[in-house]
Amino acid sequence: AQTVTQSQPEMSVQEAETVTLSCTYDTSENNYYLFWYKQPPSRQMILVIRQEAYKQQNATENRFSVNFQKAAKSFSLKISDSQLGDTAMYFCAFMKLANQAGTALIFGKGTTLSVSS
Amino acid sequence: NAGVMQNPRHLVRRRGQEARLRCSPMKGHSHVYWYRQLPEEGLKFMVYLQKENIIDESGMPKERFSAEFPKEGPSILRIQQVVRGDSAAYFCASSLFSPNEQFFGPGTRLTVL
Repeated sequence: AQTVTQSQPEMSVQEAETVTLSCTYDTSENNYYLFWYKQPPSRQMILVIRQEAYKQQNATENRFSVNFQKAAKSFSLKISDSQLGDTAMYFCAFMKLANQAGTALIFGKGTTLSVSS
Repeated sequence: NAGVMQNPRHLVRRRGQEARLRCSPMKGHSHVYWYRQLPEEGLKFMVYLQKENIIDESGMPKERFSAEFPKEGPSILRIQQVVRGDSAAYFCASSLFSPNEQFFGPGTRLTVL
């Protein structure tokens, strides 16, 4: 069975600084997707970034980028130029592929990020 | 383009009553997933449906819980004879095809008194 581990329950950062959230996962699968979702106080789940395991290049979306280390089964999220609106719970999620079809997301327990001015 | 819609946003039930949670996926999406989030925890998968079919219900309790996604209308998650432990936020997500990212609704917060 797949597991996702986020070892940092809480983190804090000052505005404009850079912060990295860590995520490790355990799987015997070779084909899978990884995601970071953000859950602000409104509790709406918002997709931040996605990475396909077959791609060697790390995904980036504006201020958000990942460091995907497949051999180490590590998938960290870097937030550059942090903004107050980045304050939220961040979840790392794993999706295995079965017969080329997607399956359910497996989530870590989350990291609460607080950005202060 | 409307996002995933869930209603009600808040639902209060007394122990023993039934709870019905509705989810309308994004337009054109035929894959629906239900997740449950207990306080201070991540989301846990419950069930994956496509139109008129349950694809994977491995995360759903065997008793009292059921889900459907009819040809017409929203997906429904039904909880019979609710207990206090069912109090949680229930999220629905949809995707256009599989595999692809899942887009989440705002959730339904169920409180069982």
